[in-house]
Amino acid sequence: AQSVTQLGSHVSVSEGALVLLRCNYSSSVPPYLFWYVQYPNQGLQLLLKYTSAATLVKGINGFEAEFKKSETSFHLTKPSAHMSDAAEYFCAVSFGNEKLTFGTGTRLTIIP
Amino acid sequence: DTGVSQDPRHKITKRGQNVTFRCDPISEHNRLYWYRQTLGQGPEFLTYFQNEAQLEKSRLLSDRFSAERPKGSFSTLEIQRTEQGDSAMYLCASSLLTGGYNEQFFGPGTRLTVL
Repeated sequence: AQSVTQLGSHVSVSEGALVLLRCNYSSSVPPYLFWYVQYPNQGLQLLLKYTSAATLVKGINGFEAEFKKSETSFHLTKPSAHMSDAAEYFCAVSFGNEKLTFGTGTRLTIIP
Repeated sequence: DTGVSQDPRHKITKRGQNVTFRCDPISEHNRLYWYRQTLGQGPEFLTYFQNEAQLEKSRLLSDRFSAERPKGSFSTLEIQRTEQGDSAMYLCASSLLTGGYNEQFFGPGTRLTVL
């Protein structure tokens, strides 16, 4: 069975500081990994995805994530936080084009 | 707007009533997924279709839940005899199954409140 664990249900960073949201996965076979963002009362928007190509993946809005097989991790980073980054972030895993299995989410708060 | 649309956006109902939600996928997308998201949790998979065929159902989908995609285009999710525990955001997503990975595009969701 596949699963993801997001460490930290709430993360607060100052505007301009580094954003680091943690995600570890469990999978018996090489997975596809994703980060989604959700703004209040809206659906999910794909930030970036890992589908077995380059291990460092760049996404939208300046976010990137690195797939580390040895650590079973796929942490999301952004060098400089912006107020508009405040949202809920979800890590997800899937096999191919099947269903997505999501983590419990991390709420990111940006401190002015 | 050519994205995934869901209707209604909000539904308030009394316990024991039946409700039906509709999802219109992106045109030509052959896969359609339903997820449920409760407060403070990530979305959980409910079921998915390829064209009109329902290929997988989660154990979360009790006998009170039924989903259809009769012509391989829009889909409906019906909940019979609603319970307070059914209160959640119901999300629909669609994708075009071709070679390689195919991104799931999500709709805005239907928020259900059962009183």
